[in-house]
Amino acid sequence: AQTVTQSQPEMSVQEAETVTLSCTYDTSENNYYLFWYKQPPSRQMILVIRQEAYKQQNATENRFSVNFQKAAKSFSLKISDSQLGDTAMYFCAFLSNFGNEKLTFGTGTRLTIIP
Amino acid sequence: EPEVTQTPSHQVTQMGQEVILRCVPISNHLYFYWYRQILGQKVEFLVSFYNNEISEKSEIFDDQFSVERPDGSNFTLKIRSTKLEDSAMYFCASSVGGGKLTGELFFGEGSRLTVL
Repeated sequence: AQTVTQSQPEMSVQEAETVTLSCTYDTSENNYYLFWYKQPPSRQMILVIRQEAYKQQNATENRFSVNFQKAAKSFSLKISDSQLGDTAMYFCAFLSNFGNEKLTFGTGTRLTIIP
Repeated sequence: EPEVTQTPSHQVTQMGQEVILRCVPISNHLYFYWYRQILGQKVEFLVSFYNNEISEKSEIFDDQFSVERPDGSNFTLKIRSTKLEDSAMYFCASSVGGGKLTGELFFGEGSRLTVL
């Protein structure tokens, strides 16, 4: 079974600074998908960024980028020029390429952007 | 922008009672899911539903749980006889072609279930 670990329960950073959230995972598969989801205080989770394991290039979405280290099974999220609206719970998630559609989530990192 | 809607936002029930949580997925989506999050814990997969049948379920999704898409728009989660440990936030989600194709599940805001 796959596991996802987020070792930082809480983080805070000053507005406009850069912050990196850590995620490691464990799988025996070679092809899979990794995601970062954001859950603001309103509770609706939204997709931030997605990475396919077969792609070597790190995914980027505007101020959000990932550092995907497949051999190390590491998938960190970097938020540049952080904004107050980035305050949220961030979940790392794994999706197997085989059969099922089950997302496996980490425990989350609560990120607070300080004005 | 279309979104997944869930009702009720909060339900309080007595142990042993039946509960139905309702979800309206995004209209052109084909895959539907229920996840739950016990307070302070990780979000856990319960069940996925495609083509009018369960495609995957977790060990949590035992005989006390059932899902249904009764009318082509609603997607419901029923808990037949609630237990204290069923207290959690329940999230409905939907996707166009499944996570592998689109990479994006659209989540509702959740239904908080409190079992007394």
